[in-house]
Amino acid sequence: AQSVTQLDSQVPVFEEAPVELRCNYSSSVSVYLFWYVQYPNQGLQLLLKYLSGSTLVKGINGFEAEFNKSQTSFHLRKPSVHISDTAEYFCAVSDGVNTGGFKTIFGAGTRLFVKA
Amino acid sequence: ETGVTQTPRHLVMGMTNKKSLKCEQHLGHNAMYWYKQSAKKPLELMFVYSLEERVENNSVPSRFSPECPNSSHLFLHLHTLQPEDSALYLCASSQNPRQGFEAFFGQGTRLTVV
Repeated sequence: AQSVTQLDSQVPVFEEAPVELRCNYSSSVSVYLFWYVQYPNQGLQLLLKYLSGSTLVKGINGFEAEFNKSQTSFHLRKPSVHISDTAEYFCAVSDGVNTGGFKTIFGAGTRLFVKA
Repeated sequence: ETGVTQTPRHLVMGMTNKKSLKCEQHLGHNAMYWYKQSAKKPLELMFVYSLEERVENNSVPSRFSPECPNSSHLFLHLHTLQPEDSALYLCASSQNPRQGFEAFFGQGTRLTVV
């Protein structure tokens, strides 16, 4: 069975500092990996995704993530955050093989709080 | 505008009421989903429809009843809910998930059961 662990429930950081949000997953098969962002009172919006190929994935708003198969991790990074990046971030894994990709499992979320 | 529209945005209902949540997608996707988002918990996948056929039902209580009349519309019918059912209910749609197409989410319906 698949699972996703987001290691930090909250990450406070000062504006213009770098940030890393950690995500580990477990799966017995090949997976697709995603990071979503949720602003207050909104649905989830895709930041980036890894399907195959290059392990470094670039997304919107200056975010990037690196897929590490040996460590089963997909950490999200941004070199310099803005106040507007304050939001909840969700890591997700989808099994594109056995369940047709329909069973996307989400982590519990990491609250990023950017301080001035 | 995400292309996935949910109505209503907010709903307060008593435990004996019957109500329905509506979701509409204008993206030409062929799969639609209902998720439940409770405070301090991961998103819970409730139902999945692919080409209007239910392909996933994650042991959701029968007081939640989904309906997918066509590929653009998805409903969640609610009856005799419990206070613990209060949550944000998110609808999503996607193209072929086998190819890694991501889900697009609506803004959600904030449900409060009193």
